[in-house]
Formats: sequence, structure tokens, C-alpha cells
Amino acid sequence: EAGVAQSPRYKIIEKRQSVAFWCNPISGHATLYWYQQILGQGPKLLIQFQNNGVVDDSQLPKDRFSAERLKGVDSTLKIQPAKLEDSAVYLCASSLGGVEETQYFGPGTRLLVL
Amino acid sequence: SQKIEQNSEALNIQEGKTATLTCNYTNYSPAYLQWYRQDPGRGPVFLLLIRENEKEKRKERLKVTFDTTLKQSLFHITASQPADSATYLCALDAAGGSYIPTFGRGTSLIVHP
Repeated sequence: EAGVAQSPRYKIIEKRQSVAFWCNPISGHATLYWYQQILGQGPKLLIQFQNNGVVDDSQLPKDRFSAERLKGVDSTLKIQPAKLEDSAVYLCASSLGGVEETQYFGPGTRLLVL
Repeated sequence: SQKIEQNSEALNIQEGKTATLTCNYTNYSPAYLQWYRQDPGRGPVFLLLIRENEKEKRKERLKVTFDTTLKQSLFHITASQPADSATYLCALDAAGGSYIPTFGRGTSLIVHP
């Protein structure tokens, strides 16, 4: 079974630029999560999708971050414009979609904002 | 406010010993708690889930306990090996039963040969 795919793996941008990350979850997984993990901290949930609907986006900085999950499969997370404090690893995870479901994480995208 | 606490200091132990990691939480009433392993440059990998009505769960060399009175979970690795060296994260579902996971910052385990 293929795992969660993410691209790019690394990205370096200047502040105020835009960036987009892509995630392809495990086939058949209804729930998709985007997390931000700052160095030395645990993953922080940004947004959770159930199929292509948003379950929770309470911690997503909506003035600069946006995410979509078209057709309930792939997802993109965008930052526009980026700030220095956005430097982090952005993790995508997916699960089958029930409660207590195990999450399967992708390798993450490491973003550095200069 | 809700808080999950894991020891920020690395745990150093000798190969063959039992490693014990702690996860404390406040202002939560979690329905379940999960433990994940994270290696450098990789995403977390699920290890074990324990529900609020379970006291203990085992999987091979791993054991997790869950004390809802103390608001604490202990994660044990018996007969530890250098390959067990990693960061271990605990995660709880958010209060209110919305099943939105919240992670602790993790504890780094270093097993010395």
C-alpha cells in the first residue's frame, strides 16, 4: 500500500512570497489533515477535511493560509504571503475517517522563509 | 487552558534497559490517547492507542498505561535497543469529543549501545 505523498520535500522562499504544498493521501482515506510542526514542538493541526468538507480549521491563520481538497482526494495548502514565523515542517496525514482512527503521515515539506 | 506536557529533556538510557516516557495533560477529558514515533526528517508513525476505559495496552516490547485520575499516560519500551532512539509523541483527542487530535511536543529517547 502506498503511503501519503507530499511535495515538494523542501522549499526556500523570501518573506511575502507565496508557496503551495501538495498532498496525496492513502487511497480510500476519507479524512485528511494538515499540520504545522515548528522545530522542537509537536504537530499543530491547521485544518481537517472529511472527504472534501472542512471539519475543523480553527487554528488555520485564514488571513494568509488557505487549503482545499478537490474531489475528496488530493489537497493543497497555500501560504500567501509568507512570514518568517511560517518556517516549519508542514505535515499531511490521512485516516479512514471514523473516530479513533490511526493517522498515517507523509514525510512533510520543510519550509524556510528568509 | 488545555495543555499536554511531555518532558522536553532527552531521555538517555543504556541498551537493554526499560525506557519510560510520560505524558501529562490538564483540562482534557480525552476519550483516547495515542503514542507516535517520529524519526528526524520523517512524519510521525502510529504506535499504540489506549481508550479511557483501558488501563493498559501492550504491543510486543511496548506498553502504555492510562490513568484518567492522575491525567497521565506512561509509555514503556522494554529491552530497549539503539534502533528505538527517536522522538515519541503523545496525542489526545480535543476536549468535547470532537476527535480532533492534539499533540504534545514529544520526548527524545536516546538508547546507548
